[in-house]
Order: sequence, then C-alpha cells, then structure tokens
Amino acid sequence: DAGVIQSPRHEVTEMGQEVTLRCKPISGHDYLFWYRQTMMRGLELLIYFNNNVPIDDSGMPEDRFSAKMPNASFSTLKIQPSEPRDSAVYFCASSFAGDRLAGINEQFFGPGTRLTVL
Amino acid sequence: GQQLNQSPQSMFIQEGEDVSMNCTSSSIFNTWLWYKQDPGEGPVLLIALYKAGELTSNGRLTAQFGITRKDSFLNISASIPSDVGIYFCAGYRGAGNNRKLIWGLGTSLAVNP
Repeated sequence: DAGVIQSPRHEVTEMGQEVTLRCKPISGHDYLFWYRQTMMRGLELLIYFNNNVPIDDSGMPEDRFSAKMPNASFSTLKIQPSEPRDSAVYFCASSFAGDRLAGINEQFFGPGTRLTVL
Repeated sequence: GQQLNQSPQSMFIQEGEDVSMNCTSSSIFNTWLWYKQDPGEGPVLLIALYKAGELTSNGRLTAQFGITRKDSFLNISASIPSDVGIYFCAGYRGAGNNRKLIWGLGTSLAVNP
C-alpha cells in the first residue's frame, strides 16, 4: 500500500511567487492534515479536513495561505504571494476516523515538502 | 498554539546506552502518542497510550502515561545507531470535533557508534 504522497519534495522559489504543494492521502482515510515544521516552532497544524470539508483552519497563518480538498484523494496547500518566512517543511498527514473507536487516531505522515523562499 | 514541554531538547549518547525523555503539560490529556522522525521523512507512530498509568512496550521502547494525565515518558534501552532521529510526544485533548492533537517540540537523539 502506498503511503501519503506529497509533491514536490523540494521547492525553491523567489519571494512573491505562488507556491502550490500537493498531497494524496492514503486511500480510505477520511481525515487530512496539513502541518508546517520549523526549528523554532516545531510541528504546527495549519488546517485539517474531514470528508473533504475544512474543519479547523485556525492554524493558517494568514490570508496568503489557502488549502483545498476537491476530492477524497487530493489536496493542495497554496501560498500566494510567498515570503522568506514561509520557508519550512510542509507535511501532509491522513487518518481514518474508524480508528477513533479503538482510540488509535494514528496520523500517517507523508515525506514532506521542503520549501525555500529566497 | 499550545505545545507540550518536551525534554531534553537534544541528546548525544554512546551506542548501547539507555535513553529517557519526557513530556509535561499543565493540562490534562486523554491520549499520549510518541512519534519518531527520521531525517528527511515524516513522523511515524511508535507507541500510543490511552489510560493514566498505562505502561506499554514496543521492542526496546517503553512508554508510560502519567498518573496525573499531565505527563508521559519514553525510554529506549540499549540504543543502536538507527535510533537516531527526532522523537516527538503528542497528546490529545478534548472530545468530538473539539479533539485536538498537541505536539511537543521534539527531542533530537544522536547515537555514537
């Protein structure tokens, strides 16, 4: 079984450019999470979806960030315009609500996208 | 956002040594999770704890859910080079749609062969 797939793995862009990060969750999972990881702030939850619907976007830093999940197998995180302080590793994770009955709630993470904004 | 207090921030040990790290919070959690992140990869779940006082092992790893529900520790016995990575604690608070997963800042482990 393929895990969570993210693309690109690395992205280098210039300040002001639009950046789009992509994620394909594990098939059958109904929760999808976008995280940002930096040395200073660790792992920060940006937004999560349940059945393609955004549930909590309180972690999205500002209006420059937007996320969509048009279907159960695809999500995007867009930054427009990008700034140097957006440089970080962005992770997508997915989980299966059925596991909540067993109390597991394991989130499966993708390999991440390392974003550098110059 | 709220984070757990995870310590130590980093550790450098000799192969074969035992390792201990912990997480504390001023708030009560109803589930504790320990993840490991290898360089260049996403975190992977190691151990999940569901009840106060619970002690769970996974190979050389042992973790406990504190009695007060405000802390947890992870021990690694007889460390080996592949234990290198960042270890994160995470805890669930709340219930239903208010259920939130809070993350520690991680403990970076280096093992000298």
